[in-house]
Amino acid sequence: GAVVSQHPSRVICKSGTSVKIECRSLDFQATTMFWYRQFPKQSLMLMATSNEGSKATYEQGVEKDKFLINHASLTLSTLTVTSAHPEDSSFYICSARPTGTPYEQYFGPGTRLTVT
Amino acid sequence: SQQGEEDPQALSIQEGENATMNCSYKTSINNLQWYRQNSGRGLVHLILIRSNEREKHSGRLRVTLDTSKKSSSLLITASRAADTASYFCATDTEKLVFGKGTKLTVNP
Repeated sequence: GAVVSQHPSRVICKSGTSVKIECRSLDFQATTMFWYRQFPKQSLMLMATSNEGSKATYEQGVEKDKFLINHASLTLSTLTVTSAHPEDSSFYICSARPTGTPYEQYFGPGTRLTVT
Repeated sequence: SQQGEEDPQALSIQEGENATMNCSYKTSINNLQWYRQNSGRGLVHLILIRSNEREKHSGRLRVTLDTSKKSSSLLITASRAADTASYFCATDTEKLVFGKGTKLTVNP
């Protein structure tokens, strides 16, 4: 089956630093990838839609300068949390949609970010 | 704003019993999907039901969709302790929008 990996699985960083999270589709190409954030005991909130070779589309209320998304290849999207603050601590999950499929999405295992 | 709203928010049952979770949404959809998430883990896709379908089965799972009422239900039959997880519905137009989820606990 289709596998999506995320790296790192857990990261702790100090306030003010930047953190990069990678999302890779391992056995398929994904023109579109999605980034979600999940706070404890809450649902997933879509942050942005990442399209290979073009700018990401951010959801309302998500700061594009704070959450930098790069989708440079058909198998890799990265999310960089810049100048992280404790309120950015969350579980970040990516998903990848196989190229040519309208509805399928495969989710990564998530990255737990803790900002101290 | 979120599309799906699941109820109940939490459900605790005994092993062997059936578990029913409901989801309501607000606008037209292409399809509706159900996912499972174990604590602190990623999502596992359970089942997708298209807008022109009314019922779908997969193993012990049964999903219904009523587009006139904008609602769906997920039934897990003969539940097992390993079914303990949070279950989310997600409506798909151009992107997935998740509901708040139902936390299911199956007691051995």
